[in-house]
Amino acid sequence: DAGVIQSPRHEVTEMGQEVTLRCKPISGHDYLFWYRQTMMRGLELLIYFNNNVPIDDSGMPEDRFSAKMPNASFSTLKIQPSEPRDSAVYFCASSLGLRGTQYFGPGTRLLVL
Amino acid sequence: TQLLEQSPQFLSIQEGENLTVYCNSSSVFSSLQWYRQEPGEGPVLLVTVVTGGEVKKLKRLTFQFGDARKDSSLHITAAQPGDTGLYLCAGVTVYNFNKFYFGSGTKLNVKP
Repeated sequence: DAGVIQSPRHEVTEMGQEVTLRCKPISGHDYLFWYRQTMMRGLELLIYFNNNVPIDDSGMPEDRFSAKMPNASFSTLKIQPSEPRDSAVYFCASSLGLRGTQYFGPGTRLLVL
Repeated sequence: TQLLEQSPQFLSIQEGENLTVYCNSSSVFSSLQWYRQEPGEGPVLLVTVVTGGEVKKLKRLTFQFGDARKDSSLHITAAQPGDTGLYLCAGVTVYNFNKFYFGSGTKLNVKP
């Protein structure tokens, strides 16, 4: 298995632009998680899905952030409009069961100028 | 404040030393996981503890789940530079099975 796939690996954009991060979970996993990691705040859970349905989005910082999972093999995290404080590494992870091992992707390093 | 507090936040030691990192909460967890994250990569699961008082060993790493399932510890014997990384605990409480938490992390640096 290729593991969790994220794209792009790096993204540099200007403030105000729309950013879309993509994730392909491990086939057969029923949970998908989006995290943000910064030096200041550590690893934060933004949202997670179970069988493509959002279960807990309480970590989504504000309305500028949205996430979708149109099918079991694809999810997106969109930031519109982006701001410099959104600069972080965004991880996607998937698991079998909520308490199962979470397998993390390589992350997307986002820099908003 | 984080539901899972880890201490210390930072630890820098010499190769060969022993160390313990802690993961504490006021909440009861149905299970706790420990992950290690190396620079530039995502976290990788080390172990899951489920039963209060449980002890699990992974080579030089010993994990313990508190009797009340509110805390956990990770002890490393004879640390090596390869142990360097960010150690994270994570889990689901017994109060809300839909809520998953990660701890604040302990950043370990083992100097050769």
